Amino acid sequence: NAGVMQNPRHLVRRRGQEARLRCSPMKGHSHVYWYRQLPEEGLKFMVYLQKENIIDESGMPKERFSAEFPKEGPSILRIQQVVRGDSAAYFCASSPSTGLEQPQHFGDGTRLSIL
Amino acid sequence: SQQGEEDPQALSIQEGENATMNCSYKTSINNLQWYRQNSGRGLVHLILIRSNEREKHSGRLRVTLDTSKKSSSLLITASRAADTASYFCATSQAGNMLTFGGGTRLMVKP
Repeated sequence: NAGVMQNPRHLVRRRGQEARLRCSPMKGHSHVYWYRQLPEEGLKFMVYLQKENIIDESGMPKERFSAEFPKEGPSILRIQQVVRGDSAAYFCASSPSTGLEQPQHFGDGTRLSIL
Repeated sequence: SQQGEEDPQALSIQEGENATMNCSYKTSINNLQWYRQNSGRGLVHLILIRSNEREKHSGRLRVTLDTSKKSSSLLITASRAADTASYFCATSQAGNMLTFGGGTRLMVKP
C-alpha cells in the first residue's frame, strides 16, 4: 500500500536547463496537488490536477512552469529555463475525491537545487 | 498576506511537558488541518477540525478552533523526543487547495 511517490528526491540543474519532477499518487487517488516550500517556510500551493485536467493553477507562475496528469502515468511538474530562485522543495499530494474533508497525503518531495 | 500564521515560530521543551502551538487565519474556512513535517520529509496529516466543531482529540493531540477569533491551537500532551518536528496548520476554503502557515518548529529535549 505505497504512499505518494516522488522522484527524483534530489535534482541539480544549471541555470537555463529544464527540470522534470514526477509524482505518482496513492493507489485509487485521482486528485493531485503540487506545492513549493522554501527553507524555513510553509508550503505554497501551485496547482491542482485531476486526470487529464488542470483544475486550479492559480499558484503557478505563468511562465516557465507547467503541470500535467495524463491518463496513464505520473503527474509531471515541468520547469523550463530554471533560475536560482526556483531552488526549493517541491511536494506532491494526492486525495481520493473532491470531498472537502479528505486529508491530502504527501510525498517526501523533490529538492531542486539550481547551480 | 498569509492565510495561516503559526505562533510561536520555534518552541523548545523538555520531554514530558506539554506543547501548545497556535494558528491564526484571515478568511472563512471549511475546515482547518494540522500537519507534521520531520526534517527532509513530506507532511503527515495529524487531525482535521471542521468549521462547526470547537474541539477535537486524537491520542495525545488536542485541537481547538475558535471561528470568531479565526484561530486554532494544537496541544501535544506528555511530549516525547520523537515529537520533534515542524507543525503546520492549513486551511481549506473553496476548492481543494490548502493554505499553509509558516509552521512552528518544535524541539523536545530528552
